[in-house]
Amino acid sequence: SQKIEQNSEALNIQEGKTATLTCNYTNYSPAYLQWYRQDPGRGPVFLLLIRENEKEKRKERLKVTFDTTLKQSLFHITASQPADSATYLCALEYGGSQGNLIFGKGTKLSVKP
Amino acid sequence: KAGVTQTPRYLIKTRGQQVTLSCSPISGHRSVSWYQQTPGQGLQFLFEYFSETQRNKGNFPGRFSGRQFSNSRSEMNVSTLELGDSALYLCASSLTSSGGGYTFGSGTRLTVV
Repeated sequence: SQKIEQNSEALNIQEGKTATLTCNYTNYSPAYLQWYRQDPGRGPVFLLLIRENEKEKRKERLKVTFDTTLKQSLFHITASQPADSATYLCALEYGGSQGNLIFGKGTKLSVKP
Repeated sequence: KAGVTQTPRYLIKTRGQQVTLSCSPISGHRSVSWYQQTPGQGLQFLFEYFSETQRNKGNFPGRFSGRQFSNSRSEMNVSTLELGDSALYLCASSLTSSGGGYTFGSGTRLTVV
């Protein structure tokens, strides 16, 4: 069965630095790979989606890369701020998945002032 | 526009009882998915509904069921509650059921005692 791993349970960085989060998966590549942010007691919030034929996607301070050879996605937050502190989840979506996202366990990011 | 609304936000039930959770998707969204989130297992897919039809189901016992109404609102039911059913139950809606980001509600925190 498909496995998805987010390498770090927790990541602590200093304000202003770039946070880099990793998502690895086994087996075959998904049609889409998504990143979500989740704050305590809240539902995940959609951030970015990247397709299997795309290498990179950007949105403001966020950047996602997708390497289907390495079976890995990297999620970057540049010029990080304390408000970026949250748990970040990566999710795989296969074509025709009909709502079934396969989520990683998440990486808890803490940005210190 | 209004987001995904889940009710109730918190629920305490006794083992053996049953529970019904409600989800109102974003207006115009016809796909509604349900997830269970626990600290140990993370987010796990329960089922997905589209135009009142269940199109996909995760690996959960038959005690977990759901339905969708003609206005796209959805309910999930858990019968014969077990202590292990304590979790955050999340509903997500999407305009399509593949290739787009999902909008999650804030969830229903179910505690079984």
